Amino acid sequence: GQQLNQSPQSMFIQEGEDVSMNCTSSSIFNTWLWYKQDPGEGPVLLIALYKAGELTSNGRLTAQFGITRKDSFLNISASIPSDVGIYFCAGQTTDSWGKLQFGAGTQVVVTP
Amino acid sequence: GAVVSQHPSRVICKSGTSVKIECRSLDFQATTMFWYRQFPKKSLMLMATSNEGSKATYEQGVEKDKFLINHASLTLSTLTVTSAHPEDSSFYICSAGSRDRSSYEQYFGPGTRLTVT
Repeated sequence: GQQLNQSPQSMFIQEGEDVSMNCTSSSIFNTWLWYKQDPGEGPVLLIALYKAGELTSNGRLTAQFGITRKDSFLNISASIPSDVGIYFCAGQTTDSWGKLQFGAGTQVVVTP
Repeated sequence: GAVVSQHPSRVICKSGTSVKIECRSLDFQATTMFWYRQFPKKSLMLMATSNEGSKATYEQGVEKDKFLINHASLTLSTLTVTSAHPEDSSFYICSAGSRDRSSYEQYFGPGTRLTVT
């Protein structure tokens, strides 16, 4: 299906650094979801956002639902080696219950 | 979060045969399940939406006679790849959601790697 614009495509960072990625869309979403996928595995839900302006944390992860409802960002603080993986944003519109539009993914590589 | 399982995790089949992949929601009743296909280093592509007790809704470009979906119960959906060909080789992932839970927290299975020789 239609993809969101997710950036950056990849990031190479040193352990301990912070990571930031974002997604934008021309459509308005009522929900933003952030997933992490390890090689050969299914995506794992990290954070779910339901309200414009909402800022939610999950451990070292922080995500925000943009005020315009057309964007979201995910931050990872103090990265560790197990943060390696591909991070996907996904959005849901009000007229398509359950159907998610996915970003292209951000590959994060953490070096010691 | 909810637990969704898939079986098998890997399958190799010969061209022309059919393969069935099962998706189960283990700890909640999923009124809706979704089937995705993922190519290497690519994002997830929605193939179809599977509603319990009714016909699946396929995305544009997905052949419904090629990819048969059955959602016979609230905890099980199956995807059958019929007359598989090498181009059907891919990573197939299901997800599950329910109108009785938060409709926005969609949980994914671990995926099934299909290789058609």
